[in-house]
Amino acid sequence: NAGVMQNPRHLVRRRGQEARLRCSPMKGHSHVYWYRQLPEEGLKFMVYLQKENIIDESGMPKERFSAEFPKEGPSILRIQQVVRGDSAAYFCASSPPEGSQPQHFGDGTRLSIL
Amino acid sequence: DAKTTQPPSMDCAEGRAANLPCNHSTISGNEYVYWYRQIHSQGPQYIIHGLKNNETNEMASLIITEDRKSSTLILPHATLRDTAVYYCIVSHRMEYGNKLVFGAGTILRVKS
Repeated sequence: NAGVMQNPRHLVRRRGQEARLRCSPMKGHSHVYWYRQLPEEGLKFMVYLQKENIIDESGMPKERFSAEFPKEGPSILRIQQVVRGDSAAYFCASSPPEGSQPQHFGDGTRLSIL
Repeated sequence: DAKTTQPPSMDCAEGRAANLPCNHSTISGNEYVYWYRQIHSQGPQYIIHGLKNNETNEMASLIITEDRKSSTLILPHATLRDTAVYYCIVSHRMEYGNKLVFGAGTILRVKS
């Protein structure tokens, strides 16, 4: 059973470009979460989605960041007009519908802004 | 979600049991205790979780006190590969899922 798949593993962008990070949840998991880990800091929750719905986006920056989880295909975290401060590791996690079941994480996308 | 308190770091000899404590004195009745670890910069790895009963799986045991205000993660025979940051997280059961709030965790160093 494949785990949470994130791609790309490493992404380099210049300031002002767009970054798209993809996450395919584990089979049978309908909930997706995105977390960000800045250098030398802990993981911070960003957004929680189900298919075609954003459930909780309380951790998302107000501008330039968006997330979606379409009916078909992976979840996408999109960062527009990237800045140096967006350099971080972005982790995706997924869980089944049952609320107490644990989230399982992917290996992350390391985003570097030149 | 309730706040957790963990020691910043611990050392353990290889082959010995590693006992990682966590205080969560403000935990509420419907909140679960989850343990994750992060090795280097990899994605967090789920270890174990529980509500009020002690739990055991192939990786570890979780001991939760009767008042649920603290817990201990036990790695029965620590190896060098268990060196990691260990996170104790308390999360309520939302209607549709749990948002995890990570603290600083405990850096466990297993030494030969």
